[in-house]
Amino acid sequence: GAVVSQHPSRVICKSGTSVKIECRSLDFQATTMFWYRQFPKQSLMLMATSNEGSKATYEQGVEKDKFLINHASLTLSTLTVTSAHPEDSSFYICSAALSGPWSEQYFGPGTRLTVT
Amino acid sequence: QKEVEQDPGPLSVPEGAIVSLNCTYSNSAFQYFMWYRQYSRKGPELLMYTYSSGNKEDGRFTAQVDKSSKYISLFIRDSQPSDSATYLCAMSEDSGNTPLVFGKGTRLSVIA
Repeated sequence: GAVVSQHPSRVICKSGTSVKIECRSLDFQATTMFWYRQFPKQSLMLMATSNEGSKATYEQGVEKDKFLINHASLTLSTLTVTSAHPEDSSFYICSAALSGPWSEQYFGPGTRLTVT
Repeated sequence: QKEVEQDPGPLSVPEGAIVSLNCTYSNSAFQYFMWYRQYSRKGPELLMYTYSSGNKEDGRFTAQVDKSSKYISLFIRDSQPSDSATYLCAMSEDSGNTPLVFGKGTRLSVIA
């Protein structure tokens, strides 16, 4: 099956610094990538939808200037958390989808961000 | 009212039991219904998907969708300790390139 990787798997950073998370589709080209955030014992909440070569579409309440998304190629999307704060500590998961009538979203393994 | 409601559990069952997991939803435009399994600190993996109403069976897993009641279910027969995980229902109005709306997930423990 299709594989999506994320890097890093875990990161600890100090408050005020920026962190970049990479999401790669390893064996397929993803027309669309999604970024989700999951707090402990909570569901996945969509943050933004990213299409290759265009600006990301952010969900209501997600600050686009704080969570910078770049989808520069069909196999790579990045999420940069700028000026991170402790409340940004969460599990960030990306998914990638092919185009077509039905296309499964393949999820990455997630990145656990801890801001101290 | 949240779009997708799912009892978070936890649900604990003995090995071999039949497990029933359920979600309700409010958006009548949802057409694609999925069940994901998520192990601790891992990304979700797709178990089953169903388009519109009906049943779908895959091995020990059966997914049911009742659009008239806005209710979906996942049944696990002969549950195994390896089935212990969080099960998330997810839905979308369209296929593939549209965002999924997830339930909160039900934590399942199958005790040997």
